[in-house]
Amino acid sequence: EIVLTQSPGTLSLSPGERATLSCRASQSVSSSYLAWYQQKPGQAPRLLIYGASSRATGIPDRFSGSGSGTDFTLTISRLEPEDFAVYYCQQYGSSLVTFGQGTKLEIK
Amino acid sequence: EVQLVQSGAEVKKPGESLRISCKGSGYSFTSYWISWVRQMPGKGLEWMGRIDPSDSYTNYSPSFQGHVTISADKSISTAYLQWSSLKASDTAMYYCARLASSGSFNDAFDIWGQGTMVTVSS
Repeated sequence: EIVLTQSPGTLSLSPGERATLSCRASQSVSSSYLAWYQQKPGQAPRLLIYGASSRATGIPDRFSGSGSGTDFTLTISRLEPEDFAVYYCQQYGSSLVTFGQGTKLEIK
Repeated sequence: EVQLVQSGAEVKKPGESLRISCKGSGYSFTSYWISWVRQMPGKGLEWMGRIDPSDSYTNYSPSFQGHVTISADKSISTAYLQWSSLKASDTAMYYCARLASSGSFNDAFDIWGQGTMVTVSS
């Protein structure tokens, strides 16, 4: 099983600031099969990034993903009020899909 | 519009059986794998398993294998998640989600259902 560890657990920032979220895998993620999701309270998760760096349909370009192997990053260049939520990374390269434990992005 | 619509909230007693559903529309249901994801109250996302609706081939997480059954009826574009004997620890929100690429076993989840809340309490 590939274990994904996200850091930090909580990130407190202000609108307009830059957010950097980390996801580290216990072993290499094949073919960069790494995705990021956003979840707001009472809502289903929403796909933001797939293939480590490709934005999903309709996702604003302030969201970007990078990384390969075992280290991946989600960057939000300038935070908007609607970006404060919980973010999960996911690897889907193995037959056992796994999620990170989540990073809560809160308003400072 | 491509969407997955799940059945409504359920309240059950321990030991009871349950089947919840996930109906796809706006796309070719048999062309895309469906996964199920659990979210316990206040917790993160846990992948349970997936199904290929074209032939009902399934792949489970070891954590859920033997405790739940994933199935599909392609004639009505619906996937199911079922329990034969519920426990209090099954209390959670359950989501179905579509894998993003046609025919792909390894893919991100691009379309999610709205979730079905299952509460198990005596």
